[in-house]
Amino acid sequence: DAKTTQPTSMDCAEGRAANLPCNHSTISGNEYVYWYRQIHSQGPQYIIHGLKNNETNEMASLIITEDRKSSTLILPHATLRDTAVYYCIVGFNFNKFYFGSGTKLNVKP
Amino acid sequence: EPEVTQTPSHQVTQMGQEVILRCVPISNHLYFYWYRQILGQKVEFLVSFYNNEISEKSEIFDDQFSVERPDGSNFTLKIRSTKLEDSAMYFCASSEPGTSGKTDTQYFGPGTRLTVL
Repeated sequence: DAKTTQPTSMDCAEGRAANLPCNHSTISGNEYVYWYRQIHSQGPQYIIHGLKNNETNEMASLIITEDRKSSTLILPHATLRDTAVYYCIVGFNFNKFYFGSGTKLNVKP
Repeated sequence: EPEVTQTPSHQVTQMGQEVILRCVPISNHLYFYWYRQILGQKVEFLVSFYNNEISEKSEIFDDQFSVERPDGSNFTLKIRSTKLEDSAMYFCASSEPGTSGKTDTQYFGPGTRLTVL
C-alpha cells in the first residue's frame, strides 16, 4: 500500500501557484520524498525529490516540513499543460515505488 | 535528454498467446523495473532487475511473467500465456546507482498498451 496520503483533486487558476500537499507520517529516516506526474495514460514523469531540505528545479519547488511527515509540491505558475495526476512517493535506492491514487490537478483558464 | 523508450506502443493479442514487451533503458542505468496500470487503476510494481537477476517481484509477477536483458541495451517483459486481465499499460523504468549517499531516481518510459482479446 502507498505510504502517502494526498487529496483526491485540486483546482488551480492558470498562472497562479499550485500547492499540492502530501502526508507521509510514517517516512523512515533514509527515505526520500519523490514527486511524479502522469498526464492521461502516459508514463509517470519525474518532477523533483528531496530528503529533508527544500529543493527547487526548473519545474517545481519541494517544501518538506522539519519533522519530514509532510511535504508540499509547488508549481509556481501553473499552465493548462500542468493538468495531470500528481503522485507523492516515499522510497530509497532501488526500492519499488508504491503509487497511490495521487492528486488530480485541474488547471483552469 | 536521455529517455527510456518502449516498443510497441500498442500490442493487441489473443488470449493464451505469448507477448514480449521491449524497453531500452537509459544507457548508463543499471537498475530496471516494470510496472503496470490497468485502466482507471493505480500504477503497480511488477519487478525490479539488477545485475542480470530479479531483485524483487510482486505477487502479480507469477510464473507467467519473465524478464530478460538479452543484450547491453534491451530489457524485456514476457508474458507466456496472456489472460484478459493482463490488459493494461506496461511501463518500464530505469535508474542509476545513487552516489555519495544520494538516492537514485526512476525514469519511466511512455508505456506499451497491451490489449488481450
